[in-house]
Amino acid sequence: NAGVMQNPRHLVRRRGQEARLRCSPMKGHSHVYWYRQLPEEGLKFMVYLQKENIIDESGMPKERFSAEFPKEGPSILRIQQVVRGDSAAYFCASSLRDGSYEQYFGPGTRLTVT
Amino acid sequence: AQKVTQAQTEISVVEKEDVTLDCVYETRDTTYYLFWYKQPPSGELVFLIRRNSFDEQNEISGRYSWNFQKSTSSFNFTITASQVVDSAVYFCALSEADTGTASKLTFGTGTRLQVTL
Repeated sequence: NAGVMQNPRHLVRRRGQEARLRCSPMKGHSHVYWYRQLPEEGLKFMVYLQKENIIDESGMPKERFSAEFPKEGPSILRIQQVVRGDSAAYFCASSLRDGSYEQYFGPGTRLTVT
Repeated sequence: AQKVTQAQTEISVVEKEDVTLDCVYETRDTTYYLFWYKQPPSGELVFLIRRNSFDEQNEISGRYSWNFQKSTSSFNFTITASQVVDSAVYFCALSEADTGTASKLTFGTGTRLQVTL
């Protein structure tokens, strides 16, 4: 019974490159959330998606960041032209229904921008 | 706007001591959900409990117990007879739902618990 899968677990990018983070939700879950955790800080909400729809992107930076959850395949968080300040752990979570239900988290992707 | 405050940044206890982690929340919604998560040194987030705003019953699960008090907007977490394996960062989180659809979790800044022998 696989949990939330994220890959890669660690990603190193140079400034200006693109980062693509993937998330496969738990089986049967169609709600996906992305959070960012800066060093020594709590998690900050970025975006909430259902299949083919962005429900709430109030936490996404206005530029360079985008997310999708296609009908087939994993959810993707894409960061274009990465900067050092993007270095963080990015966690994906999924839930059976909306955010009133418990969200189960993946192991995270640790992005380092050099 | 919703807010979660975990005033204790770090707590250090000796094994077998009881420890309480505080969580105070702010919300204007009447329907909301509260959560606790554990983040061990390995980094993953482990779901511990979910409580809705209409259910103020305290809950006990093994050595863990939770005290929800709407009057003080608190949702505190107690570990009884702590063990070294309890060492982790613990996060309290809130999800608002008055619009009918809850979405994001708002997290506190976490409390780092260190349990030593």
